[in-house]
Amino acid sequence: AQKITQTQPGMFVQEKEAVTLDCTYDTSDPSYGLFWYKQPSSGEMIFLIYQGSYDQQNATEGRYSLNFQKARKSANLVISASQLGDSAMYFCAMRDGGNNAGNMLTFGGGTRLMVKP
Amino acid sequence: GAVVSQHPSRVICKSGTSVKIECRSLDFQATTMFWYRQFPKQSLMLMATSNEGSKATYEQGVEKDKFLINHASLTLSTLTVTSAHPEDSSFYICSARGATGASGGYTFGSGTRLTVV
Repeated sequence: AQKITQTQPGMFVQEKEAVTLDCTYDTSDPSYGLFWYKQPSSGEMIFLIYQGSYDQQNATEGRYSLNFQKARKSANLVISASQLGDSAMYFCAMRDGGNNAGNMLTFGGGTRLMVKP
Repeated sequence: GAVVSQHPSRVICKSGTSVKIECRSLDFQATTMFWYRQFPKQSLMLMATSNEGSKATYEQGVEKDKFLINHASLTLSTLTVTSAHPEDSSFYICSARGATGASGGYTFGSGTRLTVV
């Protein structure tokens, strides 16, 4: 069964507008972590934001915020004031279990975001 | 911040030859290294997990004799693609974790684009 689902293969957004990238997850472990990464055409994985399952508040990092709805098992990424440089692939990922070094990340299928000038 | 150096960034090799990819953690000790493969327009798929000084754990469907992983020290892990074939052409990327993971926790290398001709 797929653990991480990103239902939007591609999205367009107008420059300077906000955009929400969807991510739903499935786990039976009460302790888990959710991550968002940006992958430009160069291939590198750029860490954007992290949300722990026990975190009380939604994570924010500059223009990025994570809309964490635990009961719905969703962890949507919101990018405010989109910039042309935001055009890239975006991956949602989950770490099952506690914050131990050996726990792997499972990735969603990704969403390609294209920012229009 | 934590940095993982991955080399080479791009390699073209002839069918039947072997290729070695290195990942070095520059400023922390990587107790665990994850190796991923990414085909064009697809997500990252975990190939194997390696812990320093022990044998790697391979995901189902990944041939351990074809993809040799060595994690001999806390700062270096290597992936060797043996007897490469055109279907092995892909983007390979490593991710390292130290013993104490911060909220980000996973540091990615910049990836290696392998083309087998």
